[in-house]
Amino acid sequence: GAGVSQSPRYKVAKRGQDVALRCDPISGHVSLFWYQQALGQGPEFLTYFQNEAQLDKSGLPSDRFFAERPEGSVSTLKIQRTQQEDSAVYLCASSLRVLGGSPYEQYFGPGTRLTVT
Amino acid sequence: AQKVTQAQTEISVVEKEDVTLDCVYETRDTTYYLFWYKQPPSGELVFLIRRNSFDEQNEISGRYSWNFQKSTSSFNFTITASQVVDSAVYFCALSANYGQNFVFGPGTRLSVLP
Repeated sequence: GAGVSQSPRYKVAKRGQDVALRCDPISGHVSLFWYQQALGQGPEFLTYFQNEAQLDKSGLPSDRFFAERPEGSVSTLKIQRTQQEDSAVYLCASSLRVLGGSPYEQYFGPGTRLTVT
Repeated sequence: AQKVTQAQTEISVVEKEDVTLDCVYETRDTTYYLFWYKQPPSGELVFLIRRNSFDEQNEISGRYSWNFQKSTSSFNFTITASQVVDSAVYFCALSANYGQNFVFGPGTRLSVLP
């Protein structure tokens, strides 16, 4: 079966450029998460969607980061005016979890490696 | 606030040795969930186990076993008779607040040498 897919797998951007990272979750998964993983570190939470609603965006590092999931399936993470410190792997995960229920395990995509030069 | 600590940054063992990866967590929630994920060199995180705070039974799955001790806030992971394919970075994670987000530890890089 199809897992979580992300595109592009690699992105090189010049400082100041805008980038858009796409995530296709597993079909039927209600919850979608974005994480940022710096080299040699664990994933750090950025934001969480339940269907199309963005319920938590407390992990977004600045207002240059914006995420959306307009139809409750595909999600896009946009970074405006990229900076060198934005270089990282951006991971998307989806799960079956329903609000109020116990958290199901998250299934992760392969990530997008963003390099800002 | 939630926190996960994995004190071992890197571990190297020789094939067939047993190895235990430590995980210590902090949370004020009484209901929470703990997870282990494996990240092989290919990069994709693979789910291994989920355990809730009310179930302190240890679990065994093949060569993998997990020891959950609420008294010490630990959720350790043991690989028995390690194999080269076990080489990866292993992350422990905590989910509280009804799973609104996951807090990952910094990971332990395991190298199993032939």
